[in-house]
Amino acid sequence: AAGVIQSPRHLIKEKRETATLKCYPIPRHDTVYWYQQGPGQDPQFLISFYEKMQSDKGSIPDRFSAQQFSDYHSELNMSSLELGDSALYFCASSYVNQPQHFGDGTRLSIL
Amino acid sequence: AQTVTQSQPEMSVQEAETVTLSCTYDTSESDYYLFWYKQPPSRQMILVIRQEAYKQQNATENRFSVNFQKAAKSFSLKISDSQLGDAAMYFCAYTGAGSYQLTFGKGTKLSVIP
Repeated sequence: AAGVIQSPRHLIKEKRETATLKCYPIPRHDTVYWYQQGPGQDPQFLISFYEKMQSDKGSIPDRFSAQQFSDYHSELNMSSLELGDSALYFCASSYVNQPQHFGDGTRLSIL
Repeated sequence: AQTVTQSQPEMSVQEAETVTLSCTYDTSESDYYLFWYKQPPSRQMILVIRQEAYKQQNATENRFSVNFQKAAKSFSLKISDSQLGDAAMYFCAYTGAGSYQLTFGKGTKLSVIP
């Protein structure tokens, strides 16, 4: 079965640079979610989109923005990167009230 | 705000034995969903089992079952016939029926001893 696809798998940036993470949900899933998992931490909800509209917002910094496109893929844009942004970023997708299925994550390292 | 508490940072179990991971939660909502996710060393987040709050029957998925006590706001995971591949971090998670976000506990690291 098709899964959630995230790219890139690994990304290395320097402080103050920008980064864009991409997410391709499972076909026919209508909701996309973004989570941030710091080292040794539980995942923290950032933002979600339902049918291309922002549906919920969590602890997402103002330096971050996201959107969902007409083909349902989503991008998380991160600017003015800080050392503390180093983390594993998960995208998940779901259909209606079904469980969220996670991608393999993008590991972002800030030097 | 909803909170999820996992009071066991680490646990271990002998291969083929049974282990129970604990989870409690706090919410004022009446309709919600509870989940257990598994995160192996590869860091993938894998759905193990799901429980709807309106269902009294405990969910079961093969060797995995839950003990859902709604009044006590408790949601434990039982793993039977533990296998080496069960070694992972296990996260308990909550979402309200009208919500889009998962709230996770801090996780329990499970080790399986051969």
